[in-house]
Amino acid sequence: QTVVTQEPSLTVSPGGTVTLTCASSSGAVSSGHYPNWFQQRPGLAPRALIYGTNRKHPWTPARFSGSLVGGKAALTLSGAQPEDEADYYCLLYSETEVVFGGGTKLTVL
Amino acid sequence: QPQLQESGPGLVKPSETLSLTCTVSSASITSSGYFWGWIRQPPGKGLEWIGSIYHTGTTYYNSALKTRVSMSVDTSKNHFSLRLRSVTARETAVYYCASSRTSGRFGDFDYWGQGMLVSVFS
Repeated sequence: QTVVTQEPSLTVSPGGTVTLTCASSSGAVSSGHYPNWFQQRPGLAPRALIYGTNRKHPWTPARFSGSLVGGKAALTLSGAQPEDEADYYCLLYSETEVVFGGGTKLTVL
Repeated sequence: QPQLQESGPGLVKPSETLSLTCTVSSASITSSGYFWGWIRQPPGKGLEWIGSIYHTGTTYYNSALKTRVSMSVDTSKNHFSLRLRSVTARETAVYYCASSRTSGRFGDFDYWGQGMLVSVFS
């Protein structure tokens, strides 16, 4: 089964920019992996942010964007807010399955 | 938008079968393009996809679990269900149900239930 790898933790200053990445053990991530990104605040269910690499849901704040960078899926947060402190999970498609990454704990400090 | 609510026993004994139901409101489970899925999260750990189902009965399962998992849809009750056989203590987790509607793909989970903790111990 494909293993999806994310940075375990990252820190960003308020108002700053940070990029989270999502790599696949099967090789470069492409649009065909339809990357998704989810935010999970403590004690709450995950919330969808990005699907299909870079498509936003109606509720996704404009400061979040998705892309492909250097063979990985990427989630960029521009202008970090205190409420963005959370765990972030990517999801990739692999044939007839989907696989979540291990998650990135983002600290806004 | 759909609202989802998990229900079922919060305690299951090792080697027995975990059974959960997700009741859907504000949407029909037979709506075209909707997939319905289950995801779990052990305490303090990451998310794991269990499987997804379409109302016609088409299923997609995590290959690591496929010998023990089954999902079904009950259109008359507007709910879908999960059965996981022969559980172990390592499968103690919060179990989430979710919908995938926006894109028509089975894993683009857009709406989530609040989650339900299921503990496996004797």
